[in-house]
Amino acid sequence: EVQLLESGGGLVQPGGSLRLSCAASGFTFYTFAMSWVRQAPGKGLEWVSTLSNTGLTTYYADSVKGRFTIARSNSKNTLYLQMNSLRAEDTAIYYCARGANGPDYWGQGTLVTVSS
Amino acid sequence: DVVMTQSPLSLPVTLGQPASISCRSSQGLVYSDGDTYLSWFQQRPGQSPRRLISKISNRDSGVPDRFSGSGSGTDFTLKISRVEAEDIGVYYCMQGTHWPRTFGQGTRLEIK
Repeated sequence: EVQLLESGGGLVQPGGSLRLSCAASGFTFYTFAMSWVRQAPGKGLEWVSTLSNTGLTTYYADSVKGRFTIARSNSKNTLYLQMNSLRAEDTAIYYCARGANGPDYWGQGTLVTVSS
Repeated sequence: DVVMTQSPLSLPVTLGQPASISCRSSQGLVYSDGDTYLSWFQQRPGQSPRRLISKISNRDSGVPDRFSGSGSGTDFTLKISRVEAEDIGVYYCMQGTHWPRTFGQGTRLEIK
């Protein structure tokens, strides 16, 4: 069974940093691109970033480019999202999702709240 | 960026009746490999999104056959042949052809 388990969310002050993790299991992790998608409270879905299966190619939404870094450890079956210079508008549930063209599996999400 | 426009944004339906959601893209979604990466997702209240349909019309495993996807070019449709209570939630289309990936605004399906 495919499972994606996010962690690392929490309350952080504006300008602060957080690192999200997504532990994957139930599939051959290194063969899949992986993505992060977020959802602000009461709002729709927003794609954040995608990383190729090799970890060599990255894509970012303009809203996070230069502040967020996506990475993976294929030996640990884990996807990461390093979030720096956080802003209030980054407050959202962050979902880890498998795939790049239309993610087929999603985690339960982890809540990031940016507030003073 | 490719803009995905869904309509309607709110869809009140009677149980057992059909429902249809439209999704239009501002650019064509055919990728260089010949596939069209248009997906549909369902998000029930308090849950994570779930993919229903990939590449316009391919239903995911476990998705009831009352859900169907169609379309081409820039116009796409998700249809539910007979709405059931468990179908309540928000539906999103998403294009996976161009960067950045983009979602529609979401259509809230509710029971009349």
